Amino acid sequence: DTGVSQDPRHKITKRGQNVTFRCDPISEHNRLYWYRQTLGQGPEFLTYFQNEAQLEKSRLLSDRFSAERPKGSFSTLEIQRTEQGDSAMYLCASSLSLGRAEAFFGQGTRLTVV
Amino acid sequence: DQQVKQNSPSLSVQEGRISILNCDYTNSMFDYFLWYKKYPAEGPTFLISISSIKDKNEDGRFTVFLNKSAKHLSLHIVPSQPGDSAVYFCAASAAGNQFYFGTGTSLTVIP
Repeated sequence: DTGVSQDPRHKITKRGQNVTFRCDPISEHNRLYWYRQTLGQGPEFLTYFQNEAQLEKSRLLSDRFSAERPKGSFSTLEIQRTEQGDSAMYLCASSLSLGRAEAFFGQGTRLTVV
Repeated sequence: DQQVKQNSPSLSVQEGRISILNCDYTNSMFDYFLWYKKYPAEGPTFLISISSIKDKNEDGRFTVFLNKSAKHLSLHIVPSQPGDSAVYFCAASAAGNQFYFGTGTSLTVIP
């Protein structure tokens, strides 16, 4: 399967714990995006990378969230000191960096903070 | 501030009929528009896109129309099939940057 892969698919954690998610993009895609989706809402932008450079972060992204993309391949999203409000589906997408190119999404990681 | 809006949370149509999903946007800098389909517990799947230099793009049963003056786009599905039942999101971007998504329209195609 050469699509976007996310791991894990589901994560249940206790409030206050740290969690890390991984995303493997489509191999020839140099752009990688992280989105968050809650029930009844559309995907909400968190951050995106072009190769290893983080080009933009949402103003909504608190300091507890950090993302990396070492070597411009896979990416990780870490949430420190999780809160119940962090419960959501975390989506990763990748695209080519042409002027207009569609983004392809992974299956998502469902985070539940208890 | 919601820059992309889908004002109809749900839509039901009979199998074989046309489904029309609507989307409005506020940012005149948007130059690329996309529609995604999403099933529960899965990531969105890309359906069709349109550049701002066009007003129509067609791919099989799916056609997207763009009205720049009205800042409005629509997705037409003809004929609708039960397998089309899903949540549809429109998205927009400016100059190849991040994608902004609407809140989605849940389509139910009744057999």
